[in-house]
Amino acid sequence: SYDLTQPPSVSVSPGQTASITCSGDKLGNRYACWYQQKSGQSPVLVMYRDSQRPSGIPERFSGSNSGNTATLTISGTQAIDEADYYCQTWDSGSVVFGGGTKLSVL
Amino acid sequence: QLQLQESGPGLVKPSETLSLTCTVSGDSISTSSFYWGWIRQPPGKGLEWIGSIFHSGTTYYNPSLKSRVTISVDTSKNHFSLQLISVTAADTAVYYCARHHFIRDLNWFDPWGQGTLVTVSS
Repeated sequence: SYDLTQPPSVSVSPGQTASITCSGDKLGNRYACWYQQKSGQSPVLVMYRDSQRPSGIPERFSGSNSGNTATLTISGTQAIDEADYYCQTWDSGSVVFGGGTKLSVL
Repeated sequence: QLQLQESGPGLVKPSETLSLTCTVSGDSISTSSFYWGWIRQPPGKGLEWIGSIFHSGTTYYNPSLKSRVTISVDTSKNHFSLQLISVTAADTAVYYCARHHFIRDLNWFDPWGQGTLVTVSS
């Protein structure tokens, strides 16, 4: 089976740039997307097709995918961005989620 | 505005069958070009895809759950359903339904329902 690996946690100071990585074998050859899940809420799509932002997602969110790593970057991180973030891709007929990264804005 | 709403029992006994329904409003399942999916999240843990269905009945299932899962669609009621047999405590989770954008290897879930907690306990 295909695995996606994320760091369990990432910390960032307000106003700084947060980078959340998602690693998988030749992930750059696949499409990746990202979800934000705030405490007690349903996941929300924040990035699809590697680097496309859905309507309503702030411009400070950006994405990239190359080699073995997809990255979600949040520029000028705000306190409201504190959440769990999950990457997701598709492999051999199955949806695959990463284990999730808890972003703390300290 | 598309909305999805999960419904079903919040408590299921071990070895019994978990049954949930997702009612869709704001889009017609029968004419939609999207798939419709189920995802679950055990308390304090990450997301796990269960499976997805197209209005034609075409399904994709998580291989680890495939032997216990059936997803079906009722276009007349504009809803789709999940059945998970022989449940154990490990199946305790918040169950979400979502619209599944699926074109070959390009896919994502958006939007998601609010989720429903299902506890497996005697």
